[in-house]
Amino acid sequence: QVQLVESGGGVVQPGRSLRLSCEASGFTFSGYGIHWVRQAPGKGLEWVAAISYDGSNKYYVDSVKGRFTISRDNSKNTLYLQMNSLRAEDTAVYYCARDNTGATFDYWGQGTLVTVSS
Amino acid sequence: QLVLTQSPSASASLGASVRLTCTLSSGHSSYAIAWHQQQPEKGPRYLMKLNNNGSHTKGDGIPDRFSGSSSGAERYLTISSLQSEDEADYYCQTWGSGIWVFGGGTKLTVL
Repeated sequence: QVQLVESGGGVVQPGRSLRLSCEASGFTFSGYGIHWVRQAPGKGLEWVAAISYDGSNKYYVDSVKGRFTISRDNSKNTLYLQMNSLRAEDTAVYYCARDNTGATFDYWGQGTLVTVSS
Repeated sequence: QLVLTQSPSASASLGASVRLTCTLSSGHSSYAIAWHQQQPEKGPRYLMKLNNNGSHTKGDGIPDRFSGSSSGAERYLTISSLQSEDEADYYCQTWGSGIWVFGGGTKLTVL
């Protein structure tokens, strides 16, 4: 079955960096776009970034442009999110989700918590 | 600007039906959306993709109790024969050119 497992979350000081990973299994990873979606404590879902199946196209929400970089390694079935210059407002659970025809997210991971605090 | 509006909360009794609403912003009434469910302390789960003509495609394993419909700029999620496990947050979501947007979510309480 389709599985997405995030890792790499933790507590980090403002201004520092963190890299999240999302390991996929149960489907042909190289055939699908993948997204990062986050959820601040007690808040709703916010789309963060997306990458096409081959990594050639990348998209970001305005609030993370220039600070976050999405990438993938299809040989390892793994998605990444490099987060630099972290801010308190980046504190959230980060989910990876499989893209469905460029429209929606048909499978989700369980999330990894990132806390930005001094 | 592409915006989705949802009521913050809804409630219905065990065994009853409930209809949740998601409204597309002006100029975007033809857009398709998707519905996602998030049970307490869990990751979201994809329910369905809902087109502007009311046709919908459900995710794997989603019960027949969940259905979708559309009218103008409004998109609906109807849950029938409510069960306790349906108590959750429900998010609508849509997409544009290089952008994906969520509504604020509706917290459903099953009484």
